[in-house]
Amino acid sequence: QKEVEQNSGPLSVPEGAIASLNCTYSDRGSQSFFWYRQYSGKSPELIMFIYSNGDKEDGRFTAQLNKASQYVSLLIRDSQPSDSATYLCAVNPRDTGRRALTFGSGTRLQVQP
Amino acid sequence: EAQVTQNPRYLITVTGKKLTVTCSQNMNHEYMSWYRQDPGLGLRQIYYSMNVEVTDKGDVPEGYKVSRKEKRNFPLILESPSPNQTSLYFCASSTGHLYEQYFGPGTRLTVT
Repeated sequence: QKEVEQNSGPLSVPEGAIASLNCTYSDRGSQSFFWYRQYSGKSPELIMFIYSNGDKEDGRFTAQLNKASQYVSLLIRDSQPSDSATYLCAVNPRDTGRRALTFGSGTRLQVQP
Repeated sequence: EAQVTQNPRYLITVTGKKLTVTCSQNMNHEYMSWYRQDPGLGLRQIYYSMNVEVTDKGDVPEGYKVSRKEKRNFPLILESPSPNQTSLYFCASSTGHLYEQYFGPGTRLTVT
């Protein structure tokens, strides 16, 4: 079982719709959770992080965390064609001392104009 | 401008020919790290460094070396590259808070 699992997609949504991206993780002791956006051929850029159960909103983005279900999601409201990218879920597992993130393989999002 | 730079951005080489990929950051970050990214496997950490002269293995260190002689630089060395090291490589730096992790632009390496 992969430590961080994401559906590879592509997830296709029409412009203006809500895109819902999901991620599950295996280490129940994981402490913090991140969503990165990566455009094709570019480096990952952080868009959201969340530490506590519940929702965290930032503009059009909402991160949701459910530690009991070991589930993290990212909602993108009013999706725009510029949101088309691969979204990487990353988890900071219980403290190993090396401050590494464990990444999922990403979900490709396509927003259709 | 705060940034992480990597060179070269693209490299095609042959099996066994030693190469170095440089990484430099101008943010005075203590923590630096190398990742490789492969289709379907996500980003995997190769090596990391908590500070000058302090380095340690990540998840996939075989076939790689690193050094940290200066705070700003963290080169990745492939002593004898093999085709299975064909990948997209990212350097990252951080103050130590993971949400402040900055990635370099990436180096696409092809080993034939």
